[in-house]
Amino acid sequence: KNEVEQSPQNLTAQEGEFITINCSYSVGISALHWLQQHPGGGIVSLFMLSSGKKKHGRLIATINIQEKHSSLHITASHPRDSAVYICAPVFSGTYKYIFGTGTRLKVLA
Amino acid sequence: DTAVSQTPKYLVTQMGNDKSIKCEQNLGHDTMYWYKQDSKKFLKIMFSYNNKELIINETVPNRFSPKSPDKAHLNLHINSLELGDSAVYFCASSRSGSSTDTQYFGPGTRLTVL
Repeated sequence: KNEVEQSPQNLTAQEGEFITINCSYSVGISALHWLQQHPGGGIVSLFMLSSGKKKHGRLIATINIQEKHSSLHITASHPRDSAVYICAPVFSGTYKYIFGTGTRLKVLA
Repeated sequence: DTAVSQTPKYLVTQMGNDKSIKCEQNLGHDTMYWYKQDSKKFLKIMFSYNNKELIINETVPNRFSPKSPDKAHLNLHINSLELGDSAVYFCASSRSGSSTDTQYFGPGTRLTVL
């Protein structure tokens, strides 16, 4: 079993839809990062969470430490949101990201 | 100004050759990383340096040797290249290496071993 599980693996949505991507992990963490990988390959950090919720524009990230679960939400999705979204918790006592397998999102106009 | 840059962007080479990928960051960060993204798009850390000192060394063949001449540079040298080394290699940096630091990624180097 992978230490980090993301769902869904692939997601196709219509423009304007509300999107949710889920991430579950198996051990205690000190932080969790959400990353976006563009179709061209570039990787951008979206959020760092250690508790609660963060919002940036149309993106919202939440984390439940007790449940070992985080979600990334996109409101009013747009074709430019099409990318791979990667969850990367940092397990307690380490400095390194452990990456999820990614969720490939395609938003259709 | 590019924050984290890598050269070359593409590298095609024969099995058995030795090659290097260079990484530079102009963010003043103390910590730099190398990641490998395989054909299934799965990212995995290889190495991390903090102020030129190795702090993370994952289970990577010793054909891979990182070198950090100063804290702004972390180069990756690969000896005796194998077919399985074909992947995209990403360099990244962060302020201090703390788990809460944001990491900034380079554009990636696509290595193809023939």
